[in-house]
Amino acid sequence: GAVVSQHPSRVICKSGTSVKIECRSLDFQATTMFWYRQFPKKSLMLMATSNEGSKATYEQGVEKDKFLINHASLTLSTLTVTSAHPEDSSFYICSARDPGATLNTEAFFGQGTRLTVV
Amino acid sequence: GNSVTQMEGPVTLSEEAFLTINCTYTATGYPSLFWYVQYPGEGLQLLLKATKADDKGSNKGFEATYRKETTSFHLEKGSVQVSDSAVYFCALFSGYSTLTFGKGTMLLVSP
Repeated sequence: GAVVSQHPSRVICKSGTSVKIECRSLDFQATTMFWYRQFPKKSLMLMATSNEGSKATYEQGVEKDKFLINHASLTLSTLTVTSAHPEDSSFYICSARDPGATLNTEAFFGQGTRLTVV
Repeated sequence: GNSVTQMEGPVTLSEEAFLTINCTYTATGYPSLFWYVQYPGEGLQLLLKATKADDKGSNKGFEATYRKETTSFHLEKGSVQVSDSAVYFCALFSGYSTLTFGKGTMLLVSP
């Protein structure tokens, strides 16, 4: 099946710095990718929908200036956590759907990135 | 709107016990239904899926049947192993929107 690769898998950064997380679709072109955040013992919270060549669509309550999303090519979306603070520590997961696949198909998920801000 | 409700965990079982994790949904139209599994420290992996009523998805000994009359998609396994310990997410997809997830159910299997 299609593969989505996310990098890095773990990152520790100092408070106030910025961190970039990459999400790549390895064998298909993804016009749309999704970024989720997972809190401890909580489900996945959709943060934003990343659209190739246009602005991302953010969910209510997600700060656009805090979580910058860039979908510059059909195989790469990046999430940058700017001026990170300890409360941004979380598990971030991206996903993508293969537009060439049939309707109502599953999404493919990256491995996730554990961000720890100290 | 769409929603998925699954039983709260953790579900604690001994090895070789029978597993059921309940999942019910609310959706417009005819959604596809999925079970994803998340092992500790990892992302989500598709476990199984069903795209229409009465379909049965199966994989690695797990099964789930799409029941439109009861709007359910319960996950079952006849004999769990320690390696099945993970968080299981029920999800639905309807149209071109993103997936709607349940809150996840943690399964802990002891030897």
